[in-house]
Amino acid sequence: QVQLQQWGAGLLKPSETLSLTCAVYGGSFSAYYWTWIRQPPGKGLEWIGEITPSGSTNYNPSLKSRVTISVDTSKNQFSLNLSAVTAADTAVYYCASGIVVWGQGALVTVSS
Amino acid sequence: QAGLTQPPSVSKGLRQTATLTCTGNSNNVGNQGAAWLQQHQGHPPKLVSYRNNNRPSGISERLSSSRSGNTASLTITGLQPEDEADYYCSAWDSSLRLWVFGGGTKLTVL
Repeated sequence: QVQLQQWGAGLLKPSETLSLTCAVYGGSFSAYYWTWIRQPPGKGLEWIGEITPSGSTNYNPSLKSRVTISVDTSKNQFSLNLSAVTAADTAVYYCASGIVVWGQGALVTVSS
Repeated sequence: QAGLTQPPSVSKGLRQTATLTCTGNSNNVGNQGAAWLQQHQGHPPKLVSYRNNNRPSGISERLSSSRSGNTASLTITGLQPEDEADYYCSAWDSSLRLWVFGGGTKLTVL
C-alpha cells in the first residue's frame, strides 16, 4: 500500500515561491500518476496538476503559468513549485497518488 | 473553470439512508463517471468510491454509487455517527483536461 509523506515551508510572503515535496513509500513509484491538490481554509478542493508515469505533466490552466511539478525517481519523491504566490494561494496542499492515496496535507499561509 | 454541482448540505437521522448527488456534464461525469471522497474535519480526503460503484478495500458496503447521465450519486445506508463528514465528488474532464471537483456536501447524521 502506497503511503505519502509531505513537507515544505508553511509561511510565505507575497511574490515568493511555494515549494513542497512528497515522499512515496511502498508501491512502484514509476507506475503511478503523482498529483497535487489544494484546499483553501473552509473551502473545497482544487486540482493543481499531475505528473504521469511517462514524465509528462498536466496542469490546471488557472495555475499553469506558475506551477511546476517534478519527480526525483532516485529518491521516490515528487515536488511542487508555485511561483509568485499571493494570499489567494493560502491553502492546505495535498500530495496524492491520483486521487486514491493522499498525503497528510500541509498548510501554506501567504502573508506579508 | 466549471466544477461539479453538489448540494451544500444533507441531514438524515441515525440508521436512515442518505443519497448525495453530483451533477456535471458529458465531458466529465457523463463520460467516465465520478469518484467520491469522504473528508472528516482536520483530515485529508479519503477515496470511498470510484468508477462504476467500485469501493477501495476497507470501505463499508453501506456505501454505493451510481450514475444516470451527467449526474452521479452516492448512497449511504444505515447511517452511523462516523458517516458525518464532507463528501466531494470528482471526475476527469476530457475537454478541460483536468480533474474537477464538486463544492462538497456536508452530511449531518441527526
